[in-house]
Amino acid sequence: DGGITQSPKYLFRKEGQNVTLSCEQNLNHDAMYWYRQDPGQGLRLIYYSQIVNDFQKGDIAEGYSVSREKKESFPLTVTSAQKNPTAFYLCASSIWRGANQPQHFGDGTRLSIL
Amino acid sequence: AQSVTQLGSHVSVSEGALVLLRCNYSSSVPPYLFWYVQYPNQGLQLLLKYTSAATLVKGINGFEAEFKKSETSFHLTKPSAHMSDAAEYFCAVSDSGGGADGLTFGKGTHLIIQP
Repeated sequence: DGGITQSPKYLFRKEGQNVTLSCEQNLNHDAMYWYRQDPGQGLRLIYYSQIVNDFQKGDIAEGYSVSREKKESFPLTVTSAQKNPTAFYLCASSIWRGANQPQHFGDGTRLSIL
Repeated sequence: AQSVTQLGSHVSVSEGALVLLRCNYSSSVPPYLFWYVQYPNQGLQLLLKYTSAATLVKGINGFEAEFKKSETSFHLTKPSAHMSDAAEYFCAVSDSGGGADGLTFGKGTHLIIQP
């Protein structure tokens, strides 16, 4: 079955450490997204990518970085500059970055600070 | 700029009762609207979407939503609640002008089903 795989499911970060969250999709989707979810805050867009080797900042990109070297993969790095990284991170993809296309979501990675 | 307001962070209904989750949107151009459901520690699953073909949209699990332009609303309903409907529900809007950067989500409504 096609879908989006996020790993790991749980991740712990030490002070000053960068951590990378993996997102892989086999849906042949062009566009991929990273969202951050905090309790009572809904989802907020961190980064998105429409094509390989191109990505754009979302609403809360500070302290995060991404790469898009392959169509299937869109890893997110939470850097030490992100002072409040504890959250649930969701990766999504869509067939193209068209406004009427629904996004498909992975099952998320929960990041906590040690 | 577009935005979504979901009225009520928590809604409680009895099993078998009507479910009504409210969503109002703000958009400078005709919007595309979506409802998603999220179960604990999982991603979001699409319930239904409005893309201007019909104002009453039917989705999965017996849910439906009606787009009302005059009220800028897209409320989600289900005639008879089931225990398995307990989850977090998100309304989202996308700018049909193509300028949106991803979806804009509401803050979510937690649906509680009382036995």
